[in-house]
Amino acid sequence: DAGVIQSPRHEVTEMGQEVTLRCKPISGHDYLFWYRQTMMRGLELLIYFNNNVPIDDSGMPEDRFSAKMPNASFSTLKIQPSEPRDSAVYFCASSPSTYNEQFFGPGTRLTVL
Amino acid sequence: GQQVMQIPQYQHVQEGEDFTTYCNSSTTLSNIQWYKQRPGGHPVFLIQLVKSGEVKKQKRLTFQFGEAKKNSSLHITATQTTDVGTYFCAGRGAGGTSYGKLTFGQGTILTVHP
Repeated sequence: DAGVIQSPRHEVTEMGQEVTLRCKPISGHDYLFWYRQTMMRGLELLIYFNNNVPIDDSGMPEDRFSAKMPNASFSTLKIQPSEPRDSAVYFCASSPSTYNEQFFGPGTRLTVL
Repeated sequence: GQQVMQIPQYQHVQEGEDFTTYCNSSTTLSNIQWYKQRPGGHPVFLIQLVKSGEVKKQKRLTFQFGEAKKNSSLHITATQTTDVGTYFCAGRGAGGTSYGKLTFGQGTILTVHP
């Protein structure tokens, strides 16, 4: 298996632009997690899905952030409009169950100018 | 909500010295996981502890879960340069609003000087 796949790996955009991050989980994993990592706040859980259904989105910072999982093999995290404080590394992770280990993707490094 | 505190934030050691990082939760945990993130990389799962007082070893790494299931530690014996990275604990809540939710500590950044 190729592991969790994320794209793009790096994204540089200007304030106000829409940003879409993509994730392909490991096949057969029912859980998908989106995290944000910054030096100041560490690793924060934004939202997670079970069988494509959002379960807990309490970590989503504000309405500018939205996440979807249209099918078992694809998820997106969208920021619209983006702001400089959104600059961070965004990780997607998947897991076969909520009690198993999480497998992280390589991350997307987002820079908002 | 559930909080997981990890100390120290940074640790610099000489190669060959031992290293320990500690993790404390504000609530009782059902289990705790440990991850390692190399510089520029992504978190990689190391181990999961479930039982009260559990101790597990992986070569030079020793993981402990406290009797009250609210704290944990990771000890590395005789560090090597390959141990460099950030070590995270992640606690899973045992009840209430934290039930099932995995909360990551802030991580301990380990630097090993050759």
